[in-house]
Amino acid sequence: GQQLNQSPQSMFIQEGEDVSMNCTSSSIFNTWLWYKQDPGEGPVLLIALYKAGELTSNGRLTAQFGITRKDSFLNISASIPSDVGIYFCAGPPLGNDMRFGAGTRLTVKP
Amino acid sequence: EAQVTQNPRYLITVTGKKLTVTCSQNMNHEYMSWYRQDPGLGLRQIYYSMNVEVTDKGDVPEGYKVSRKEKRNFPLILESPSPNQTSLYFCASSAGSHNEQFFGPGTRLTVL
Repeated sequence: GQQLNQSPQSMFIQEGEDVSMNCTSSSIFNTWLWYKQDPGEGPVLLIALYKAGELTSNGRLTAQFGITRKDSFLNISASIPSDVGIYFCAGPPLGNDMRFGAGTRLTVKP
Repeated sequence: EAQVTQNPRYLITVTGKKLTVTCSQNMNHEYMSWYRQDPGLGLRQIYYSMNVEVTDKGDVPEGYKVSRKEKRNFPLILESPSPNQTSLYFCASSAGSHNEQFFGPGTRLTVL
């Protein structure tokens, strides 16, 4: 019930393409966070969402807090080689501590 | 600069030889946590601490110990490491359990 199901597990795309990934759960969330992990480093926060329906952008990245409060989406537009890495969704299910998705490994071919 | 530091960054050891991975944060955060990252499994929480002298088990605590004697430090102790503890370990800190977590650079541990 507290699991975060993140998909896809991996993506191989061409530079310039758009990317979409998502996280779903059977639990309700009040906060959704999206992190990126560059190779050899720790995850870094990209976007934080605090309200159902919220749509937030950070440069070429856009994330949405699903209306049902059980899912979230991250889109990357016009991908570039430095977008390579692992993207994690995270959030605290109601009444519980932070949970992380399994990650989406993104590879961008120049 | 606000940061979480971990040491060592890389460690190769043998089964049964006790080791400690240190973690320190300079943001005066109350909440600290240890995760291990394994391929296909994402980040799994080992132990966490809500404040000084308050620690609790995460999802995969077996074979690990922690202590929180001071607010800034949260060492991870492996009393008798085994090969299944070969992994990439991350320390993280945050203002509270529901807040954005700041991660250290990771410690890659290999147990032979």
